[in-house]
Amino acid sequence: SYELTQSPAVSVSPGQTASITCSGDKLGDKYVSWYQQKPGQSPVLVIYQDTKRPSGIPERFTGSNSGNTATLTISGTQPMDEADYYCQVWASSTSVFGGGTRLTVL
Amino acid sequence: EVQLVESGGGLVQPGGSLRLSCAASGFTFGTYEIHWVRQVTGKGLEWVSAIASAGDTYYPVSVKGRFTVSRETAKNSFYLQMNSLTAGDTAVYYCARHRYSYGYDRWGQGTMVTVSS
Repeated sequence: SYELTQSPAVSVSPGQTASITCSGDKLGDKYVSWYQQKPGQSPVLVIYQDTKRPSGIPERFTGSNSGNTATLTISGTQPMDEADYYCQVWASSTSVFGGGTRLTVL
Repeated sequence: EVQLVESGGGLVQPGGSLRLSCAASGFTFGTYEIHWVRQVTGKGLEWVSAIASAGDTYYPVSVKGRFTVSRETAKNSFYLQMNSLTAGDTAVYYCARHRYSYGYDRWGQGTMVTVSS
């Protein structure tokens, strides 16, 4: 079965750039989506089709995907961006989530 | 406005069954799939089922044979029938709207399922 791997935690200072990675075999051949989840809330889609932002998602959220790694980059990170982030793909008729990365802004 | 509202969660004994509901509104189902995703408290997201607009259904190995997803088109409602439940099925269950390559663009608020004696 397909697997996605994320680092458990990333820390960043306010105003700096945070990079959250997601790795999987030939991940660059698949479409990656990213979700933000704050405590007690449902996940929110922040990136789809590797690089696209849904309406209402700030421009500081960008995505890339190549080779075996997809990256979610948050530029000018704000305290409100502190959350868990999950990558996800649809592969071989199954939906797969990464284990999640907790982003701490301090 | 697109809305997904789950219901049906609660406390069930090990080995028991439960049926979750997802009421969808504000969109036409024809181009979307409805998925169920669960989350154990403090843990990550786990996909548990999907139903496509054509009626095809999909499951991971972990629940195949125990969980069944279905829909009632006239009511714009979707269901997750869960049988032979174990403590490992204790989680918040979300229904979410999905389209290939567009990800899960809408999520419900979730419903809690607790499997315990």
